[in-house]
Amino acid sequence: ETGVTQTPRHLVMGMTNKKSLKCEQHLGHNAMYWYKQSAKKPLELMFVYSLEERVENNSVPSRFSPECPNSSHLFLHLHTLQPEDSALYLCASSQGTGEYGYTFGSGTRLTVV
Amino acid sequence: QKEVEQDPGPLSVPEGAIVSLNCTYSNSAFQYFMWYRQYSRKGPELLMYTYSSGNKEDGRFTAQVDKSSKYISLFIRDSQPSDSATYLCAMKRGGADGLTFGKGTHLIIQP
Repeated sequence: ETGVTQTPRHLVMGMTNKKSLKCEQHLGHNAMYWYKQSAKKPLELMFVYSLEERVENNSVPSRFSPECPNSSHLFLHLHTLQPEDSALYLCASSQGTGEYGYTFGSGTRLTVV
Repeated sequence: QKEVEQDPGPLSVPEGAIVSLNCTYSNSAFQYFMWYRQYSRKGPELLMYTYSSGNKEDGRFTAQVDKSSKYISLFIRDSQPSDSATYLCAMKRGGADGLTFGKGTHLIIQP
């Protein structure tokens, strides 16, 4: 385990479903991130949370809704997704947002049908 | 022009060869440069980092940054089959900015 745990590992959902991705870290880090990894594309930063407050939102569609109830947990709520949203969703954490050493989870492989 | 350019490969080399992986970038504000390694079905893990221009060596790995050319490299000496993975370059301006990644290069070391 890397210290960042993501569940579920795989998720298949229909376009009308609502689901949530969960991320948990016990590293004592204060910053958490959601990234999207699609084939043949760079990792795309979606959201940044620092001390449970959202500090960055990179023009992500509203069908993706993040939630950070405390510094150890991060959620990504999904609703009415499109097939092009199928990708690997990675959660990461770091000591602070000024750090470069992110610890990534293994990701959730999402397939939208 | 994309912020960070990286050849996705695949790059296939025989065991024991020296591997050279590269990225170019367009944003001169980047100050921190990193290499992450990602094995299949795993998240990326930090391999090397360099601040500003210069070289850094760690065992079989050497990272180089040339800010004047906006070019960074990762060299792997005496490559092993266990080095087979995707290598992602990443950069950061500083402060609260998130990392900006390249597409990653898929490296295959043939036994």
